[in-house]
Amino acid sequence: QVQLTQPRTEIRKPGASVKLSCRTSGYKFTSYYIHWLRQAPGQGPVWLGVINPSGGDIRYSQAFQGRVTVTRETSTSTVYLEVTNLRFDDTALYYCVRPTVAFTYGTYFDHWGQGTLVTVSS
Amino acid sequence: QSALAQPASVSASPGQSITISCTGTTTDIGGYPYVSWYQEYPGKTPNLIIYDVTSRPSGVSDRFSGSKSGKTATLTISGLRTDDEAVYYCSSYSITDTLVIFGGGTKLTVL
Repeated sequence: QVQLTQPRTEIRKPGASVKLSCRTSGYKFTSYYIHWLRQAPGQGPVWLGVINPSGGDIRYSQAFQGRVTVTRETSTSTVYLEVTNLRFDDTALYYCVRPTVAFTYGTYFDHWGQGTLVTVSS
Repeated sequence: QSALAQPASVSASPGQSITISCTGTTTDIGGYPYVSWYQEYPGKTPNLIIYDVTSRPSGVSDRFSGSKSGKTATLTISGLRTDDEAVYYCSSYSITDTLVIFGGGTKLTVL
């Protein structure tokens, strides 16, 4: 079955960087875009960016452009999100998600990773 | 870009029906038929219950339905059950650089 596997927690200090992984399995990696969302406690999800694992086409939210980088490693079917210059308000649950429809950005998601809790603390 | 606007909470009794509104702009809900809704239980990942405004994924109860008028989308849950108690998020495609935009969530309490 489709699985998106993420590490559970990461802790960093303000100003540091973090690189989150999302290992996919159970489907053809290059057929589905992967999106990254984050969700702060008590708030709705926020879209960060998306990657086409086949062609490497990437789009970012302007609100985060310059501070986030999405990459992929096809040999391991893994997608990464790097966030730099971390701030206290970057503390959130970071999800990788897969859209229902293949070969397109997709606007709705039926497969979610369990999320990585990133805590930014001094 | 601001999140889609949802009421913070709604409540009703078992067996009743409720609606949750989700208001956006012409660059998202008002301009495209790509509204989706998610149900989230505490400590769990959100679960897709409505997509493309009115469609339900396989396995989702027909007690859940969606609609849209202008810049506002609506989720209706009929025949409320206690296990419908959860947080509901709306989402929409956006023509802006933020490809997908979400609401802040509505907590449904089934009294």
